[in-house]
Amino acid sequence: QQQVKQSPQSLIVQKGGISIINCAYENTAFDYFPWYQQFPGKGPALLIAIRPDVSEKKEGRFTISFNKSAKQFSLHIMDSQPGDSATYFCAASMWNGNKLVFGAGTILRVKS
Amino acid sequence: NAGVTQTPKFRILKIGQSMTLQCTQDMNHNYMYWYRQDPGMGLKLIYYSVGAGITDKGEVPNGYNVSRSTTEDFPLRLELAAPSQTSVYFCATNRPGGGGEQFFGPGTRLTVL
Repeated sequence: QQQVKQSPQSLIVQKGGISIINCAYENTAFDYFPWYQQFPGKGPALLIAIRPDVSEKKEGRFTISFNKSAKQFSLHIMDSQPGDSATYFCAASMWNGNKLVFGAGTILRVKS
Repeated sequence: NAGVTQTPKFRILKIGQSMTLQCTQDMNHNYMYWYRQDPGMGLKLIYYSVGAGITDKGEVPNGYNVSRSTTEDFPLRLELAAPSQTSVYFCATNRPGGGGEQFFGPGTRLTVL
């Protein structure tokens, strides 16, 4: 009930391509779905987040798509750049961002 | 404004030793968290605190203890270190009503041999 399942584990994308990472959850009480980006040797940092009252949120090249009925959400990175190479974590919370439950992470490599 | 700081950056412990991982924030946030990150496993919540004097267990609390005597500090204590505690530890903080964003420290890489 508390798990967030993330796929794929790793992803290689050509520069300029679209990177897509998917997450699925079980607990319908979750009401906050953030994506965090982590560079090697650093702590995670919030990239973009969505609440279940909207189906899509876009910030620059980053878009979250949210499907409440399927209990799935995904991160799309348009025009992927080598600087986007990092580990991406989806997460979910039922307490407005407190007590986050994280997915296992996706290692993204963008080839130039 | 340093944000969230953690010390030490790296540490090697022998089995059975104990240590304290330090976390300090200057963001005046009420909520603080300790996570551990293992390869392919994401981040798991160890303990959290909603304010000075209040702490509670997360998903993986066994083998750890915490205290919160001030808003700024949230140390994590490892007693009788075991190889299973080899991990990268992150401290994070946020504030109620702050939109949910958690701010993470740079992490402490701990190896138990």
